[in-house]
Amino acid sequence: GAVVSQHPSWVICKSGTSVKIECRSLDFQATTMFWYRQFPKQSLMLMATSNEGSKATYEQGVEKDKFLINHASLTLSTLTVTSAHPEDSSFYICSALLAGVGNTGELFFGEGSRLTVL
Amino acid sequence: AQSVTQLGSHVSVSEGALVLLRCNYSSSVPPYLFWYVQYPNQGLQLLLKYTSAATLVKGINGFEAEFKKSETSFHLTKPSAHMSDAAEYFCAVSDWSASKIIFGSGTRLSIRP
Repeated sequence: GAVVSQHPSWVICKSGTSVKIECRSLDFQATTMFWYRQFPKQSLMLMATSNEGSKATYEQGVEKDKFLINHASLTLSTLTVTSAHPEDSSFYICSALLAGVGNTGELFFGEGSRLTVL
Repeated sequence: AQSVTQLGSHVSVSEGALVLLRCNYSSSVPPYLFWYVQYPNQGLQLLLKYTSAATLVKGINGFEAEFKKSETSFHLTKPSAHMSDAAEYFCAVSDWSASKIIFGSGTRLSIRP
């Protein structure tokens, strides 16, 4: 099956710094990728939809200036947490849409990136 | 609008026993339904999906789910639980494009020796 890779898997940073998380589709091209946030023992919350070559679409309540998303190529989307604070500590997961026949598709998920802000 | 409700945040069964994880959906359009599994500190892995073909869907690791439109349900079952099945399970719904997926709250499955 298709593979989506996230990097880094774990990151610890100081409060006030920025952190970039990469999401790559390794063996397919993905015009659409998604970023989720998951708090401990909770479900995935969709943060934004990332479309190659255009601005990301953010869900209500997600600060676009805080969580910068760039989808510069068909295989790479990045999430940058700017001026990180302890409340930004979370598990961030990306997914990439593998387009199928007749506009159907299937999502493939990355392994997740755990961010801890000190 | 679409949504899913997973009944029971935690289910515990004995090894070898039947696994039943419940999911009910709400959708104004014909839904696509999914079950995903998540192991600690990992992403999600697709177990199975329903896309309007056969109502009984077989997935990986011996899991299957049945789409019941009259009950708006898509419960996940496995005849005999294995210790390696211990994980978090998420039911999810989307429209035909399978793009914007809405996840349930998750059910943690524990297996007793």
